[in-house]
Amino acid sequence: EAQVTQNPRYLITVTGKKLTVTCSQNMNHEYMSWYRQDPGLGLRQIYYSMNVEVTDKGDVPEGYKVSRKEKRNFPLILESPSPNQTSLYFCASSLTAADTQYFGPGTRLTVL
Amino acid sequence: AQTVTQSQPEMSVQEAETVTLSCTYDTSESDYYLFWYKQPPSRQMILVIRQEAYKQQNATENRFSVNFQKAAKSFSLKISDSQLGDAAMYFCAYRRGSGGSNYKLTFGKGTLLTVNP
Repeated sequence: EAQVTQNPRYLITVTGKKLTVTCSQNMNHEYMSWYRQDPGLGLRQIYYSMNVEVTDKGDVPEGYKVSRKEKRNFPLILESPSPNQTSLYFCASSLTAADTQYFGPGTRLTVL
Repeated sequence: AQTVTQSQPEMSVQEAETVTLSCTYDTSESDYYLFWYKQPPSRQMILVIRQEAYKQQNATENRFSVNFQKAAKSFSLKISDSQLGDAAMYFCAYRRGSGGSNYKLTFGKGTLLTVNP
């Protein structure tokens, strides 16, 4: 089944404790992206990747890192999480940058 | 920068009736795409419908259709014969069509649709 998966789905952590949210797609998609969703703000892009080893900042990149060492994986790294990073995170992918993006199931992160 | 505005934070409809959700956008580009995504309580983002700006014909997917008014920069979603399973948050989104390197989706703030039995 073609899908975008994220792990974990739920995470509660404390300020400053490094964490990684994984994203994987099995569709051989080139383009991948991370969004965060906050009440009243819709979804905003954090980082995106056009292909392996090609990543760039989106609208709200502060406090986040990403890597794209393999085509299927695009992990989101929070080196030192803070409470303002409490949010619902979505990974999305598309065959190419110009194709329709499909979303993973979301990761609910709470930073205490 | 592109912006997407959904002026209705909440809407409600009776089961089997029709409802229209509004969306306006601002862009200086001529090549772009517009989308409606549905987010049910499961929080999954589900693509409902997509419209290419260069197409004059309004997109339709079963009970879902859009009214795309390019000159007015308006992109409303009509849901016919509403069902209980249509209850969700609906997001309007914009994406450039060509040029540049980032094809990010720019989202509106969403409209929460309630379907009453």
